[in-house]
Amino acid sequence: NAGVTQTPKFRILKIGQSMTLQCTQDMNHNYMYWYRQDPGMGLKLIYYSVGAGITDKGEVPNGYNVSRSTTEDFPLRLELAAPSQTSVYFCASTSLRGEGEAFFGQGTRLTVV
Amino acid sequence: QQQVKQSPQSLIVQKGGISIINCAYENTAFDYFPWYQQFPGKGPALLIAIRPDVSEKKEGRFTISFNKSAKQFSLHIMDSQPGDSATYFCAASGQTGANNLFFGTGTRLTVIP
Repeated sequence: NAGVTQTPKFRILKIGQSMTLQCTQDMNHNYMYWYRQDPGMGLKLIYYSVGAGITDKGEVPNGYNVSRSTTEDFPLRLELAAPSQTSVYFCASTSLRGEGEAFFGQGTRLTVV
Repeated sequence: QQQVKQSPQSLIVQKGGISIINCAYENTAFDYFPWYQQFPGKGPALLIAIRPDVSEKKEGRFTISFNKSAKQFSLHIMDSQPGDSATYFCAASGQTGANNLFFGTGTRLTVIP
């Protein structure tokens, strides 16, 4: 039972490079979320999705893009990496009604140099 | 706008003591109140949760107290142990619209031997 799987676990990017953080879940959850967590800080919502084909901005969407072509996958795209995007990124999912336990991936530690 | 307000930001407790973390919310549409525990380098994981039809829920040394009229809930950790040292997030969810999962800002708990 994999739950929520994020790849990669670690990545170093140079300023201006782009990359995609992958997130997939095998629980048939409709709701999926991307958060960033800076050192000693809480979770800030970047984007979320309530189902395939539907995405919306969270609290800190600038510099990021998402897509949701399937129920399982919710990739996060960084187009022009900036040092301010150095952070730990977590993907999460919840059940159809959005209530109940949120399942988190293990996180992706991204450093932009 | 912070939907769920959490305090304190950090907490230091001696081994065997009681750790108390408080949260408050405004939206009466919330109907599920979980607490998540996060260890360094890991994603948050569900610790304990409550629905507003009860005022208290206990699981081992962890207790949620819920005050519906005050729109507040708290986590009590009895007989705190060094292994409880982690960051704790309260959250709230419900049928509140497209985004229906909101986290507090987190409390870093340190239990000293």
